[in-house]
Amino acid sequence: KQEVTQIPAALSVPEGENLVLNCSFTDSAIYNLQWFRQDPGKGLTSLLLIQSSQREQTSGRLNASLDKSSGRSTLYIAASQPGDSATYLCAVPQGAQKLVFGQGTRLTINP
Amino acid sequence: DAGITQSPRHKVTETGTPVTLRCHQTENHRYMYWYRQDPGHGLRLIHYSYGVKDTDKGEVSDGYSVSRSKTEDFLLTLESATSSQTSVYFCAISESGGGYTEAFFGQGTRLTVV
Repeated sequence: KQEVTQIPAALSVPEGENLVLNCSFTDSAIYNLQWFRQDPGKGLTSLLLIQSSQREQTSGRLNASLDKSSGRSTLYIAASQPGDSATYLCAVPQGAQKLVFGQGTRLTINP
Repeated sequence: DAGITQSPRHKVTETGTPVTLRCHQTENHRYMYWYRQDPGHGLRLIHYSYGVKDTDKGEVSDGYSVSRSKTEDFLLTLESATSSQTSVYFCAISESGGGYTEAFFGQGTRLTVV
């Protein structure tokens, strides 16, 4: 059974800092990994999808890496802004039908 | 943003009443999913569909049923609502199953059972 862990559960940093969010998974036989953002009371917004054949994926100030052999992914946010404050979730597929989510990292960027 | 609309966005209902939540997509994706999100449990799959009239159970399917009569619509029914079904419900879509392709989520339906 796939299990996904995100550490830390919460993170508070001043504006402008570069930061890294961590995601680990127990079964390395995955096809891809997806990072999402969730604002309070809102749905999940897809940020990045990394295929198993890739090691990195970039979108603007976001860079996600994937190391299948070690069961880890990181989401790097450059030059953080208050608008980046949200909960960040990673998810990996399990079997043929579903995504398994971590509990998320609640990020606060202080002006 | 992916074209996913959930309705209603908020609902309060009484214990024992049936409730139907609707998910409508404009992306023509084959796969549709219903998840619930609860503090301490994260997101859990209720049911999913891999085509019109093709559905299957997820990990927390007891007390729920689904139907998909058209590609664009996926309905989730709580047959007799209980307080334990108070939750936020999310619909998701993807072109293929198994996590091969990117998943997109709706804005959620907040359901309160009193």
